[in-house]
Amino acid sequence: KNEVEQSPQNLTAQEGEFITINCSYSVGISALHWLQQHPGGGIVSLFMLSSGKKKHGRLIATINIQEKHSSLHITASHPRDSAVYICAANNNNDMRFGAGTRLTVKP
Amino acid sequence: ETGVTQTPRHLVMGMTNKKSLKCEQHLGHNAMYWYKQSAKKPLELMFVYSLEERVENNSVPSRFSPECPNSSHLFLHLHTLQPEDSALYLCASSQGGGGDTQYFGPGTRLTVL
Repeated sequence: KNEVEQSPQNLTAQEGEFITINCSYSVGISALHWLQQHPGGGIVSLFMLSSGKKKHGRLIATINIQEKHSSLHITASHPRDSAVYICAANNNNDMRFGAGTRLTVKP
Repeated sequence: ETGVTQTPRHLVMGMTNKKSLKCEQHLGHNAMYWYKQSAKKPLELMFVYSLEERVENNSVPSRFSPECPNSSHLFLHLHTLQPEDSALYLCASSQGGGGDTQYFGPGTRLTVL
């Protein structure tokens, strides 16, 4: 069992739908990261969380430290949101990554 | 130039070659990282440098040798690689270590023949 588990592995949605991607981790963390990787490999850091909830535009990330669970939500999804979303558990300099969720948003 | 840059973007090498990957960050950060992303596997942290000193080495084979001459530059020297080392190698930097937001370069796609 991986230390960081994401679900679902693949997700296809219609434009405008509300998207939720889940991440569960079994390691201690100092921070939980959500990353976005586009085709071609480029990675963008979306959020860094240690508690509560953060919002940036149409993206919302939440974390429940007691349950060791985080979610990434995308409201009013758009085809340009199509990418792989990666959850990463950071314990000081030790980063453990989930396998990623491949999101495809169809027009 | 801004952000984190990596060169080359693509590299094909034979198993007996020696090559180096270069990463440069223009963000004034103090920590830099090398990651490996193989097909169908999660990202793996290889090396971490903080203030030019290596602070993490996740059991990486000695055929990968990192070098951090200053806080803006990071190299990954490659020698006697195996075909299974073919992967996307990503560099990142952060203000400090210990959980700060990391900024990633575009990666070097390495193919070992």
